[in-house]
Amino acid sequence: EAGVVQSPRYKIIEKKQPVAFWCNPISGHNTLYWYRQNLGQGPELLIRYENEEAVDDSQLPKDRFSAERLKGVDSTLKIQPAELGDSAVYLCASSLGDGTGELFFGEGSRLTVL
Amino acid sequence: AQTVTQSQPEMSVQEAETVTLSCTYDTSESDYYLFWYKQPPSRQMILVIRQEAYKQQNATENRFSVNFQKAAKSFSLKISDSQLGDAAMYFCAYRTARHSGYALNFGKGTSLLVTP
Repeated sequence: EAGVVQSPRYKIIEKKQPVAFWCNPISGHNTLYWYRQNLGQGPELLIRYENEEAVDDSQLPKDRFSAERLKGVDSTLKIQPAELGDSAVYLCASSLGDGTGELFFGEGSRLTVL
Repeated sequence: AQTVTQSQPEMSVQEAETVTLSCTYDTSESDYYLFWYKQPPSRQMILVIRQEAYKQQNATENRFSVNFQKAAKSFSLKISDSQLGDAAMYFCAYRTARHSGYALNFGKGTSLLVTP
């Protein structure tokens, strides 16, 4: 069974440029999460989807970040314009939502903003 | 909001020895889940072990076991017979049981070094 797939793995951009990250969750997983992990820190939730509905986006900086999950499957996280402080690893995770609580993570997208 | 604290930024253990990683959390809830996740360098995060708060028995998974002290809000991970492949960042995480899809709250992690 394929795991959570993310792309790109690495991205280097100049500040003020836009960037987008893509995530394909495990088939059948209704809940999708985007986390941001700063260097040496634990992941912090940006947004959580139940199917195509964003049910928790309280930590998403909405002035520059946006996300979508069309048809309740793939998801895209966008930053426009990027700032130096956005350099981090962006992790996507999915879960069945069946009460076990386990999240399955992708390998992450490492963003460097110069 | 529930907070998770890992007070050991780094730990070191010799191969074949035992090491314990500490985690404490703050919550007013009585029903929740606790997790330990492993994140090898440049690789994806994977679940090591999970504990349901309503269970008194400590969870075990092969060489990994936990010491869950609900009253003390403590959840430590013991790794027995440490192997070189155990070297990684270890994250403790909390999740409410109120809804099955709720996100995990992570601690800042403990970097585990395994020496030959």
